[in-house]
Amino acid sequence: AQSVSQHNHHVILSEAASLELGCNYSYGGTVNLFWYVQYPGQHLQLLLKYFSGDPLVKGIKGFEAEFIKSKFSFNLRKPSVQWSDTAEYFCAVNALAGGSYIPTFGRGTSLIVHP
Amino acid sequence: GAGVSQSPSNKVTEKGKDVELRCDPISGHTALYWYRQSLGQGLEFLIYFQGNSAPDKSGLPSDRFSAERTGGSVSTLTIQRTQQEDSAVYLCASSPKGGSSYNEQFFGPGTRLTVL
Repeated sequence: AQSVSQHNHHVILSEAASLELGCNYSYGGTVNLFWYVQYPGQHLQLLLKYFSGDPLVKGIKGFEAEFIKSKFSFNLRKPSVQWSDTAEYFCAVNALAGGSYIPTFGRGTSLIVHP
Repeated sequence: GAGVSQSPSNKVTEKGKDVELRCDPISGHTALYWYRQSLGQGLEFLIYFQGNSAPDKSGLPSDRFSAERTGGSVSTLTIQRTQQEDSAVYLCASSPKGGSSYNEQFFGPGTRLTVL
C-alpha cells in the first residue's frame, strides 16, 4: 500500500524566512501529487498539483513544489513566508489502485509564521 | 458556484447512539470521498464513490461504519453504536471526472463529532 511521509510536523518561522516542507511517498507507479492547505477556521483547499510535464510546479500565493521521481519526493517551497501562511499543510498522493484513484494523505505539517 | 456542504457542522452524541452525517457534493462531480481527521493525525480515508460503480469501502475502520450515495449526489455516512474513539472531524470531498480539475478534491467544512 502506498504511504506518504511528511517529516516536519511543526515548523515555526519568522516572516521573510524561506520555507521547505518535505514530502516523500512510497509507490512505484504513476502518481498524481498534491499539496493542500488548511488555514485556521477554513476548509482544506488545493495549493498546487503535479500530474505530468515540468516537475517544478507553481501554485497559489507564491508556493512551488518540485517532483523528484528518483527520490519519490514532492517538497513544498516558498522563498519568503508571510504571517498569513500560518496554516496546516498536507501532501497527498493519488495512485491508481484496483482501477480507481485512492488518495493518501500525509499527517500534515503545522506552520506558524511569526510577524 | 456552491461548494461542498456538510451537515451538521457539529454533533455531540452519547456513546452507543447512532449518528448520520450528510454531504452535498458540488453539482456534476462524480467522485465523492469521506475522510476522518483526528487531532494531530492526517486524513484517514474511509470510503470512495465514483459514479455508479460499487464504492471502495477499504478504509472503513469497522462494520459500525457505512455510507450511501443516493442518485449519484448526496451521501450519508452512518456510524452505529458510536464509541469515544469515533470522535473526530469527518470530511467530505468531491472531485470531477475530467477537465482541468481532474482528481483535485474539493473539501467541505467537515462535521465535528464528539462522542461523550
